[in-house]
Amino acid sequence: ETGVTQSPTHLIKTRGQQVTLRCSSQSGHNTVSWYQQALGQGPQFIFQYYREEENGRGNFPPRFSGLQFPNYSSELNVNALELDDSALYLCASSVWSGGSYEQYFGPGTRLTVT
Amino acid sequence: DAKTTQPPSMDCAEGRAANLPCNHSTISGNEYVYWYRQIHSQGPQYIIHGLKNNETNEMASLIITEDRKSSTLILPHATLRDTAVYYCIAFGGTSYGKLTFGQGTILTVHP
Repeated sequence: ETGVTQSPTHLIKTRGQQVTLRCSSQSGHNTVSWYQQALGQGPQFIFQYYREEENGRGNFPPRFSGLQFPNYSSELNVNALELDDSALYLCASSVWSGGSYEQYFGPGTRLTVT
Repeated sequence: DAKTTQPPSMDCAEGRAANLPCNHSTISGNEYVYWYRQIHSQGPQYIIHGLKNNETNEMASLIITEDRKSSTLILPHATLRDTAVYYCIAFGGTSYGKLTFGQGTILTVHP
């Protein structure tokens, strides 16, 4: 157990809809990253939030957006869902420590877009 | 981030040591080598990381060559629960939080 929780566990949406996924960070961690993992692939970095600001983004369109709250919990929002958005969405919390940076992942949210 | 290369799959007998290699020949001086694993349908699990010295923790040992161009993750006594995809990642510098996962190595531990 990493102390990182995500909700919901599974979700089914229809193409064109919007979805919000939630993540609760491990205590003391002020940074959260989101990843998308398609079936059979490694996780792909979406973006990272540090102290409520986005400070890094992968190759994902603007319809993927996020929020980080003062308690360091986070949301991932995806608008205008497409079939290819079907994937496991992972969040990871972390904190810089002496030059190293261990990320602790939650169990993920399985999103299916039909 | 430096690109890493790993064999697509490996087998290991239960109770034996599993040695998982990783090539990172273009690693820069401020990049660490990180290892994660992912058991089916779960989130990746942090295992260990190192810069240039060998490292050991309760899960594994990490051996990094002197030129830092390759490393080996060692699971000293593999169990069936160690069956997973293992990812070697070079990370650091200005990467902020972006871990770049490759295809990893599928380790299968046999009874």
